[in-house]
Amino acid sequence: GENVEQHPSTLSVQEGDSAVIKCTYSDSASNYFPWYKQELGKRPQLIIDIRSNVGEKKDQRIAVTLNKTAKHFSLHITETQPEDSAVYFCAAMEYSTLTFGKGTMLLVSP
Amino acid sequence: ETGVTQTPRHLVMGMTNKKSLKCEQHLGHNAMYWYKQSAKKPLELMFVYSLEERVENNSVPSRFSPECPNSSHLFLHLHTLQPEDSALYLCASSLGQGYSNTEAFFGQGTRLTVV
Repeated sequence: GENVEQHPSTLSVQEGDSAVIKCTYSDSASNYFPWYKQELGKRPQLIIDIRSNVGEKKDQRIAVTLNKTAKHFSLHITETQPEDSAVYFCAAMEYSTLTFGKGTMLLVSP
Repeated sequence: ETGVTQTPRHLVMGMTNKKSLKCEQHLGHNAMYWYKQSAKKPLELMFVYSLEERVENNSVPSRFSPECPNSSHLFLHLHTLQPEDSALYLCASSLGQGYSNTEAFFGQGTRLTVV
C-alpha cells in the first residue's frame, strides 16, 4: 500500500513569513495529491490539490508543487496570518485509497 | 456542513459492549472511508469501500467490523474494544480516482471513549 511521509511535524513562524511543508509518497500509481487543513475541534477540509499531470498549482497565498520523478510534493503558504494556525495534512490517492501523512502543526505568531 | 453526517457525535462504551457508528452521505460519492484520529497516529486509514466493495483493510483488528449496505451509508461495528481504541473516528467520502473532482469530504467525527 501507499506510504506518505510528512515533515516537519511542527512548524512555528512569525506572521508574514512563509511556511513550507514537504511530503513524499511511495507508490507511483498515486495520481492525486490533496492538502487538508484541520483547525482545533473541527473536521479536515481541503485547501488545495494537485494531479500528477501538473507540476504546480497556486491559489492566492497557497501553492503546491509536485515532483513525480522524486515522488515528493510540497505546500507553500506565503504571508502567513494567525488564522493559518492549524494542522495540515498531505495525502496521496492510489485508485480509491486516500492515505494521509502524519500532519504538521503550523503555529503563526502575531 | 459538508454533506457527510456521522452519528453519534460522542460515545462512551465499556469493553464488553457492542455499539455501531454510522456515516451517511448524499453527495453521490462512490467511495467511503473510515479513519481513526488519535494523538499517536493522526488520520490513520482503517477501511475503504469503493462501489460498496471493501478495497482496503489496513490491518485493523477484528473487533472493528465495517459494513457498507449501499453507496450512501457506512457503518463501523464495535465489540470488545480496548481503552487504546479511544479516539476520534472520522468518516469521509469521495468520487474516487478517475473522476475530475476527487475531493474527499469528512464528517464531524465520533469521539469514542472506551472505559
